[in-house]
Amino acid sequence: AQSVTQLGSHVSVSEGALVLLRCNYSSSVPPYLFWYVQYPNQGLQLLLKYTTGATLVKGINGFEAEFKKSETSFHLTKPSAHMSDAAEYFCAVTSYYGNNRLAFGKGNQVVVIP
Amino acid sequence: DTGVSQDPRHKITKRGQNVTFRCDPISEHNRLYWYRQTLGQGPEFLTYFQNEAQLEKSRLLSDRFSAERPKGSFSTLEIQRTEQGDSAMYLCASSLALASGKGAEQFFGPGTRLTVL
Repeated sequence: AQSVTQLGSHVSVSEGALVLLRCNYSSSVPPYLFWYVQYPNQGLQLLLKYTTGATLVKGINGFEAEFKKSETSFHLTKPSAHMSDAAEYFCAVTSYYGNNRLAFGKGNQVVVIP
Repeated sequence: DTGVSQDPRHKITKRGQNVTFRCDPISEHNRLYWYRQTLGQGPEFLTYFQNEAQLEKSRLLSDRFSAERPKGSFSTLEIQRTEQGDSAMYLCASSLALASGKGAEQFFGPGTRLTVL
């Protein structure tokens, strides 16, 4: 079974500071990895994804993530936080095989301090 | 492409009542997923359809839950004899099968928030 670990349910960051959200995954087959963002009372919006190829992937709103197989990690970063980045962020894993259902982490609630 | 839509957005019901939710996926997507999200948790997989066939159900999906996708387009999720523990956000997502080369990206609807009193 595949799984994701996200530590630190709440993350506070000052406006303009680096945003770093950590994601470690477990998978017995090559993983496909995703970061989704969720605003209050809304569904999930895809930020970025890794399937194959380049391990540094860029997404929307200035976010990027790096797939590190040796560390089983897929950490999300943004160089400078904006107030609009306040939301909940979920890391998810699936694979090419089977039904491609997503296994999500518990999420990080990001608070941006002015 | 109008995205994935779900109806209703909110549902309040009394314990013991039946409820039904609807999901309309992106029109060309042949895969449809249901997830449940409780407060402070990530979404958890419930069930999955490829076209009209329900191919997998999670152990989370008790006998009180049933899902259909009769013509391979929209889907319904019914909960019978609701319990307070069923209170959650129910999310629907759709995608293309990976053979299309689209990388398994799932597109989510806005969700239906269920409150069982």
